[in-house]
Amino acid sequence: QKEVEQNSGPLSVPEGAIASLNCTYSDRGSQSFFWYRQYSGKSPELIMSIYSNGDKEDGRFTAQLNKASQYVSLLIRDSQPSDSATYLCAVYNNNDMRFGAGTRLTVKP
Amino acid sequence: SQTIHQWPATLVQPVGSPLSLECTVEGTSNPNLYWYRQAAGRGLQLLFYSVGIGQISSEVPQNLSASRPQDRQFILSSKKLLLSDSGFYLCAWSVFVRRELFFGEGSRLTVL
Repeated sequence: QKEVEQNSGPLSVPEGAIASLNCTYSDRGSQSFFWYRQYSGKSPELIMSIYSNGDKEDGRFTAQLNKASQYVSLLIRDSQPSDSATYLCAVYNNNDMRFGAGTRLTVKP
Repeated sequence: SQTIHQWPATLVQPVGSPLSLECTVEGTSNPNLYWYRQAAGRGLQLLFYSVGIGQISSEVPQNLSASRPQDRQFILSSKKLLLSDSGFYLCAWSVFVRRELFFGEGSRLTVL
């Protein structure tokens, strides 16, 4: 079983729509959760971090965490073509960050 | 503010040749340092991490090694490259208690 799982996509949404990205993880002891955005050929950049159950909002981005279900998601409101990228879910436990393979998002004008 | 620099950005090496990738962090002290590898179309694989000078933890035995000769310097090396070493190598740092990882620009290695 993979430690961090994401749907590889591609996920395609029209401009202005809400993009929903999902991630599940296997280690119940995981402590911290992150979303990274990676443009093609570039390094990942941090978008959101979330540490406790519930929602966390930052601009057009909302991260949602449900530790009981071992599930974390990222919502992107009013999606823009510039949001087209691969989104990586990362889970932290005991000095070790594990990444999912990423979901490729395409926002069509 | 903190910055991380990684070089070289791109390199093409023959099989069996040595490798040295270097990473430095500025603007912080005693960072946690990491080397990840990303194969084409795949997720990030943790190779090494370090919590202090001379302290290296290895996640993959293979033919790669890492060293931390100074507080903010992290080096990835190999004596003899394999074809399977090709990939996108990423150095990252974190502040111990906050744990967000911040990545360098990456080094794209092609082994021929």
